Amino acid sequence: TQLLEQSPQFLSIQEGENLTVYCNSSSVFSSLQWYRQEPGEGPVLLVTVVTGGEVKKLKRLTFQFGDARKDSSLHITAAQPGDTGLYLCAGAANFGNEKLTFGTGTRLTIIP
Amino acid sequence: EAGVVQSPRYKIIEKKQPVAFWCNPISGHNTLYWYRQNLGQGPELLIRYENEEAVDDSQLPKDRFSAERLKGVDSTLKIQPAELGDSAVYLCASSYTGLAEYTLSSYEQYFGPGTRLTVT
Repeated sequence: TQLLEQSPQFLSIQEGENLTVYCNSSSVFSSLQWYRQEPGEGPVLLVTVVTGGEVKKLKRLTFQFGDARKDSSLHITAAQPGDTGLYLCAGAANFGNEKLTFGTGTRLTIIP
Repeated sequence: EAGVVQSPRYKIIEKKQPVAFWCNPISGHNTLYWYRQNLGQGPELLIRYENEEAVDDSQLPKDRFSAERLKGVDSTLKIQPAELGDSAVYLCASSYTGLAEYTLSSYEQYFGPGTRLTVT
């Protein structure tokens, strides 16, 4: 069974600060995705990374896939209240298998 | 374009009662997923359909859960009888899986808002 552990589980910071969320596994993934989920809604896809060492930027969000494709990080610069939500990483084991294994989640709260 | 539609949004039932959830995926998406999400945790896959075929139901508790996707579009997930531990959010997601080759879009799942089930 592939497991994705996210850390921290909870994070509460002031508006304007920077933060990093981690997603770690002992398994190799062919691709990894990050989602953000707001209360009462389903997860919304933010990014997909597929190549070891890949870095993708989405405005103030920077996503990195580990060289060995076992881990990933999400860095947010100058956090804003709109960034508040549950951040989930999800990995796909093999190309051709759409089954995603979701991480344990990081609940982020940005204090105005 | 409409997203994934789920109904009802909320359901409260007593234990041992049956309950059903409905999902309408994004038009053109041939793959449909049902997930269960417990409070503060990530979603866990219950069943995945490619068109009308259930290709992965290994995580579905078959003694009380059933699902169908007639005609390969809408899907229904049923629990009978419900237990207290079934209280959770049930999410439906869809994606497009190309027949010729797997592409990045095969992994891009679009989720509905979910049905929050409370069993008392």
